[in-house]
Parts: sequence; C-alpha cells; structure tokens
Amino acid sequence: QKEVEQDPGPLSVPEGAIVSLNCTYSNSAFQYFMWYRQYSRKGPELLMYTYSSGNKEDGRFTAQVDKSSKYISLFIRDSQPSDSATYLCAIAKTSYDKVIFGPGTSLSVIP
Amino acid sequence: DAGVIQSPRHEVTEMGQEVTLRCKPISGHDYLFWYRQTMMRGLELLIYFNNNVPIDDSGMPEDRFSAKMPNASFSTLKIQPSEPRDSAVYFCASNGRDLPNEQFFGPGTRLTVL
Repeated sequence: QKEVEQDPGPLSVPEGAIVSLNCTYSNSAFQYFMWYRQYSRKGPELLMYTYSSGNKEDGRFTAQVDKSSKYISLFIRDSQPSDSATYLCAIAKTSYDKVIFGPGTSLSVIP
Repeated sequence: DAGVIQSPRHEVTEMGQEVTLRCKPISGHDYLFWYRQTMMRGLELLIYFNNNVPIDDSGMPEDRFSAKMPNASFSTLKIQPSEPRDSAVYFCASNGRDLPNEQFFGPGTRLTVL
C-alpha cells in the first residue's frame, strides 16, 4: 500500500465552481499536511500547510485534515482559470522529516 | 533571492553517456532534496542532504545514480551510464528553518535519454 494516495483525475470544472481535491494516507504517525500546486513545466510550490487535524483557510482555499480517517482535502471556492494546475498533497511525520508527495490531481478550470 | 537554480534546463543524451545535473539552493537553506518526476511514478525523493551531509539516499534507484554536495551552495546528481528509463524531470529543492516542510523547488531539468 502506498503511503499517500490521490485520485489523479483529470478533473475539469467550469469557472466559478467549487473544487474538492482529496488524499488518503496509511500511517497515523503523519502530523504535517501540505498541498503543493504545480503549473505545467514548473516546479511545485507550497499552497497550504497544516499541522494535525482541523481546517485552515487562505482566501479561496481551505485545507481540511481528518486524522481519524486519515483523509485530507483541499477546497477551492470560486475557481478561476488560473487555478488550472496539478495539485499534490504531501505529508510528513515531523517538521524536519522528508516529505512524501501524492501523485497529484490535474485540474482544469474552463472559462 | 533568485530561488533554486538548476542547470541545464533540458538535456538530451544517448544511452550509456554520463549525465550531470546541477543545483544551487537558496542561500541560508540547510536542507537540499533531489526528486525525479514521471507520469507513471509521480514525484519521487531520490536523496536529501542536511548541512551538506547525505541523510537518506534510500530513493536512489541504483548504483548508476550518485549525488554530492561539496558545499552549501552547490549539489550535483550524476547518472552513469544513463538509460532510456532515466528519462524524467529532475527537481532540486531546498528548505530552511522558518517553515521546515516548505520546500522551494527549482525549475527542473528535463532529461531525455535516447
């Protein structure tokens, strides 16, 4: 079993839609949860960072962690064409441990 | 800051040739990571360094791959001999202490082995 799994998509939505991206992980030892965004032919960049369970909101983006079910989500409200990218969830056991990335979900927001 | 710098951006080589990829991390960052990304396998960690010392190289696929970090501002990933299955995008990333898990990625090197 892979340590973190993610639906690869692709996911295509109309502009303005609410997008839900999800990952599951296998080991309850993971404490740090991140979402990275990767535009085509670019390196990934950190989008959201959360520690332990709960929600974190940043503008149109909300990250949600449910440690009891080992499930992490990213919600995008009022999606824009500029949100078209691949979104990778990432997990780590400690703040200085290696980060394990999910395979990524490709998102297209159609104008 | 210029961000993480990688060179070359594109490399096309023939099977059996030696390939050297280069990385300059962000100044002051003491962790450096090498990743490989393919459609089939996603983003895989190959090796990472802390203060120029290799910490975990369990992701290095085989002895054909080697990585060095002779000083805080330079690292290399070498493949010798290269094979077609090594074709991928290779990313270097670094992070510092402000937000330890926030890795700053370079633009990547797109490697094609014919």
